[in-house]
Amino acid sequence: EDQVTQSPEALRLQEGESSSLNCSYTVSGLRGLFWYRQDPGKGPEFLFTLYSAGEEKEKERLKATLTKKESFLHITAPKPEDSATYLCAVSPFSGTYKYIFGTGTRLKVLA
Amino acid sequence: DGGITQSPKYLFRKEGQNVTLSCEQNLNHDAMYWYRQDPGQGLRLIYYSQIVNDFQKGDIAEGYSVSREKKESFPLTVTSAQKNPTAFYLCASSTLPGQNNEKLFFGSGTQLSVL
Repeated sequence: EDQVTQSPEALRLQEGESSSLNCSYTVSGLRGLFWYRQDPGKGPEFLFTLYSAGEEKEKERLKATLTKKESFLHITAPKPEDSATYLCAVSPFSGTYKYIFGTGTRLKVLA
Repeated sequence: DGGITQSPKYLFRKEGQNVTLSCEQNLNHDAMYWYRQDPGQGLRLIYYSQIVNDFQKGDIAEGYSVSREKKESFPLTVTSAQKNPTAFYLCASSTLPGQNNEKLFFGSGTQLSVL
C-alpha cells in the first residue's frame, strides 16, 4: 500500500536554529514528491517538486532533498514567519491522478 | 491573476440538509480534486476529475457527490448521508501527470460545521 509518513509531528525551534523535517514514503513507483506549506485556515502553498533520487531544490531558507525512501526539508536559520505546517505528498505511477499526503509537521519558530 | 476560488469560506449545515461547496479555477487545468482535512490527519481524497463530464471516487466518497459540467468548475455536494461532515474542505487542480511543472494548486478552503 502506498504510504507517506512525516516526522516529527511538531517541532519548536529558536530563531536561527537550523533543523530538518522528514518525509518517508513507500510507493510502487514514484512519479513525484511534493512539499507544501500550510498556514492555519488556508490552503496549502506549493514549495517544491522532486522527481528522482539525488535531486535537490532550494528556495530562500528551505532546501528539499530526495532519496529512494525519503525526503528531507532542511530549514536554515529559520525566522518566525517560517512557522507553519509543512506537508509532504507523493504521486505514484499508479495510472490514476492520486496524490497521497502525510499528516504534516507543525513548525513553530520562536523569536 | 490565475488561481482557484472556493466559496463560501465558512458554511453551516443543519441536520438532514444538503450543502454545496463551490470551486472555480482559471488555470486551464484538466484535473480537479476535492480533499477533506481533519485535525491531525492528512488530506484525504473525496473525488477527482480528469476531464469534463467524468469523475472518479476517491478514498472517502460516501456521503458526497460532484459534477464536472465545465472545465473550470467542480462543485462538491455534502449530502445528509454524510454523518460527520465537520471538516476543512480543499479544492485543487493540476496539469495532467507527466506534463511539465506538474503540481497541485489549492484553493483557500471551506470550513464546514454542523449546527
